[in-house]
Amino acid sequence: AQKVTQAQTEISVVEKEDVTLDCVYETRDTTYYLFWYKQPPSGELVFLIRRNSFDEQNEISGRYSWNFQKSTSSFNFTITASQVVDSAVYFCALSPGANSKLTFGKGITLSVRP
Amino acid sequence: GAVVSQHPSRVICKSGTSVKIECRSLDFQATTMFWYRQFPKQSLMLMATSNEGSKATYEQGVEKDKFLINHASLTLSTLTVTSAHPEDSSFYICSARRTSGSSYNEQFFGPGTRLTVL
Repeated sequence: AQKVTQAQTEISVVEKEDVTLDCVYETRDTTYYLFWYKQPPSGELVFLIRRNSFDEQNEISGRYSWNFQKSTSSFNFTITASQVVDSAVYFCALSPGANSKLTFGKGITLSVRP
Repeated sequence: GAVVSQHPSRVICKSGTSVKIECRSLDFQATTMFWYRQFPKQSLMLMATSNEGSKATYEQGVEKDKFLINHASLTLSTLTVTSAHPEDSSFYICSARRTSGSSYNEQFFGPGTRLTVL
């Protein structure tokens, strides 16, 4: 069985602060994919990143960075210099290697105050 | 990029009626589409996997006779909520898995359909 845990439920920061969203996963598969999605108030899911289990390199994309550590089964997401437009619900998700069926975490509501 | 549309975006219906939601992959073919349900302030839960030309695979606890899924072509899957009741009110999101091209096997999400049953 697969499981994704996002222990933080709501985070509130002031603009320009850095914020890290935690994600811990469980799977018995040796090959799997991890994802982060952003869901703004409009509801549409916005794809942020996909990482496969064989690639543990950290990734940076602008103000966003991701830290994948298989040893702790974590895939954390950091937003640097947060902006009001970053306010949204962020979901971490997991899928098996040979199948795109996604298991989502419960999501983290991020509020960035001006 | 790959685009998935859903229609309608919002629907309000009376209890007991049936509602059909369409999910279309606009610029790619998808032999597999997925239907998720999201209750307010909750996560997305997979309801079923829709396979073109065959029966859908439902997740445990999802009533297949209530949530009818049809995937008649490589670009269209439909979800019909039959005899809808207020507890079926939710945000329904589909996704389509691309089966060719540079984003092979990647899943693309539709914008969602908000169903309100009165």
